[in-house]
Amino acid sequence: KAGVTQTPRYLIKTRGQQVTLSCSPISGHRSVSWYQQTPGQGLQFLFEYFSETQRNKGNFPGRFSGRQFSNSRSEMNVSTLELGDSALYLCASSSGTSGGAVSYEQYFGPGTRLTVT
Amino acid sequence: AQTVTQSQPEMSVQEAETVTLSCTYDTSESDYYLFWYKQPPSRQMILVIRQEAYKQQNATENRFSVNFQKAAKSFSLKISDSQLGDAAMYFCAYLTSGTYKYIFGTGTRLKVLA
Repeated sequence: KAGVTQTPRYLIKTRGQQVTLSCSPISGHRSVSWYQQTPGQGLQFLFEYFSETQRNKGNFPGRFSGRQFSNSRSEMNVSTLELGDSALYLCASSSGTSGGAVSYEQYFGPGTRLTVT
Repeated sequence: AQTVTQSQPEMSVQEAETVTLSCTYDTSESDYYLFWYKQPPSRQMILVIRQEAYKQQNATENRFSVNFQKAAKSFSLKISDSQLGDAAMYFCAYLTSGTYKYIFGTGTRLKVLA
């Protein structure tokens, strides 16, 4: 079974621009979560999508948005980039159901390294 | 709100020795899950071990085991017979049952010395 893929792997953007990141989950997984990872801050939860609906949301400004398509692929968009948005953005997929511990396990992609200059 | 704290930013262990990574959490929920994830340098994050809060028995996976103290809200990871490939960032994570809003700690970088 193919793993979680993220594109692009690396991005360099200028302050004020916008960016779109893509995530393809494991086949059959309906939940996709997004995280921002920075040194010293660990993983900060951005949002989670399930069946094309945002089911959970973290404490990030409205500049961060996402969506999920019918095939469970997800995109994350950041508008009006700031220097502080430089980070590794991770996506993780899981079954999305409440079927016990196994269903909650997340499978992570390799991440997209975003640098804002 | 739930929180996860990893108080050890960095740990070192000699190859073949045992090391314990600490994690504490705060929650008012009674039904939840705890996880340890490993992120090797420049590689993808993978699940190491998970624990259901309703289970009193500590989870084990080969050389990895946890010490789950529910009353103390502590969830430490023990790595036995440490190997060079264990060198990585280790993240402790919490999840309230029925939700998909994970909370991660800030991580512990583990160095394995040959």
